Amino acid sequence: QTVVTQEPSFSVSPGGTVTLTCGLSSGSVSTSYYPSWYQQTPGQAPRTLIYSTNTRSSGVPDRFSGSILGNKAALTITGAQADDESDYYCVLYMGSGILFGGGTKLTVL
Amino acid sequence: QVQLVQSGAEVKKPGASVKVSCKASGYTFTSYDIIWVRQAPGQGLEWMGWISAYNGNTNYAQKFQGRVTMTTDTSTSTAYMELRSLTSDDTAVYYCARLFLYFYYMDVWGKGTTVTVSS
Repeated sequence: QTVVTQEPSFSVSPGGTVTLTCGLSSGSVSTSYYPSWYQQTPGQAPRTLIYSTNTRSSGVPDRFSGSILGNKAALTITGAQADDESDYYCVLYMGSGILFGGGTKLTVL
Repeated sequence: QVQLVQSGAEVKKPGASVKVSCKASGYTFTSYDIIWVRQAPGQGLEWMGWISAYNGNTNYAQKFQGRVTMTTDTSTSTAYMELRSLTSDDTAVYYCARLFLYFYYMDVWGKGTTVTVSS
């Protein structure tokens, strides 16, 4: 059974840059998986950040960017701010449906 | 503005069923699919399935096949998700979202409905 992998946790300093990744337990992630990224703070619904690999959703600041890095999808946050401290989930289209990654808890300190 | 408004919290006993609603506004309901996602306490997000508001076609995650039914009522722009044979493992927040099928992403989310299964 295919699993979508994400780093369980990551930390970044305020103003710093961090790259979160989204991979597959077997195989490589490509644009054909239409990777998307979501931000979630405790008690809130997810917020859409990136879709189709690198397209920012409406209202998302340009310090959030998406890409393919090697064999994984990636979310890069440039100039991290305190309110970026959240859980981040990637989603991949698997042909018959979608799969969520396990999420990355990002700490800004 | 585009909104998805979900029904209120539910408490159910093991073995019971729950039906959660998701009322859409601010867009043409039949132009998009509705996807359902759940999140158990302290856990990640889990895809349950989606339904076309245009023709009612459904795509359920294998895990929920036979136990979930998704429907829509186009007269009220409302989507429904019914989950049967509940166990404590179904205790979760259930989210509906608008699915942009061409790029397989969710662009608008409901606020979630808490379902608690407890004897």
